[in-house]
Amino acid sequence: RKEVEQDPGPFNVPEGATVAFNCTYSNSASQSFFWYRQDCRKEPKLLMSVYSSGNEDGRFTAQLNRASQYISLLIRDSKLSDSATYLCVVRGYSTLTFGKGTMLLVSP
Amino acid sequence: NAGVTQTPKFRILKIGQSMTLQCTQDMNHNYMYWYRQDPGMGLKLIYYSVGAGITDKGEVPNGYNVSRSTTEDFPLRLELAAPSQTSVYFCASSPNSYEQYFGPGTRLTVT
Repeated sequence: RKEVEQDPGPFNVPEGATVAFNCTYSNSASQSFFWYRQDCRKEPKLLMSVYSSGNEDGRFTAQLNRASQYISLLIRDSKLSDSATYLCVVRGYSTLTFGKGTMLLVSP
Repeated sequence: NAGVTQTPKFRILKIGQSMTLQCTQDMNHNYMYWYRQDPGMGLKLIYYSVGAGITDKGEVPNGYNVSRSTTEDFPLRLELAAPSQTSVYFCASSPNSYEQYFGPGTRLTVT
């Protein structure tokens, strides 16, 4: 099982839609989880951390299911500017392990 | 603050040449990282540093070397470049090994 697995997509959605991505991780001892966003040919940027109780930041909601070892990201009311690749990230000892990312394309 | 800066932005190397990718951060972060990203692939950790004078190997260190003589700088050295090292290289820094701040990347082609 790969360390961090994501559906590569692309997910094609119209503006205003709600879209969800999932990610699974293999190391049950992992303690910290994140979602990063990467625009085409740009560097990754932290979108949000993922907390055990779930957390929300505007239109974005992140959830963690430790028992099943998966993390989710929900985007409500999608905007054209949300088009990007979303990277699921798990922290190990002083380092982060990145998934390959899920591509989202939001169309008018 | 400039954040994390990387030079050069682009470089073409011939097989067997050597070069140094520069990375500088002005946020006084202790942790610094070098990644490579191949098309359609995730970021792979090459080397990292938890502070000046301390470096450690990541997942794909072969063919690379690093040094960390100051908090600000973390150069990555490629010796005897090979086509397999064609990639985009990202440097990142972190205050606490949790959230990481990335530089804009260096696009390297080895032919």
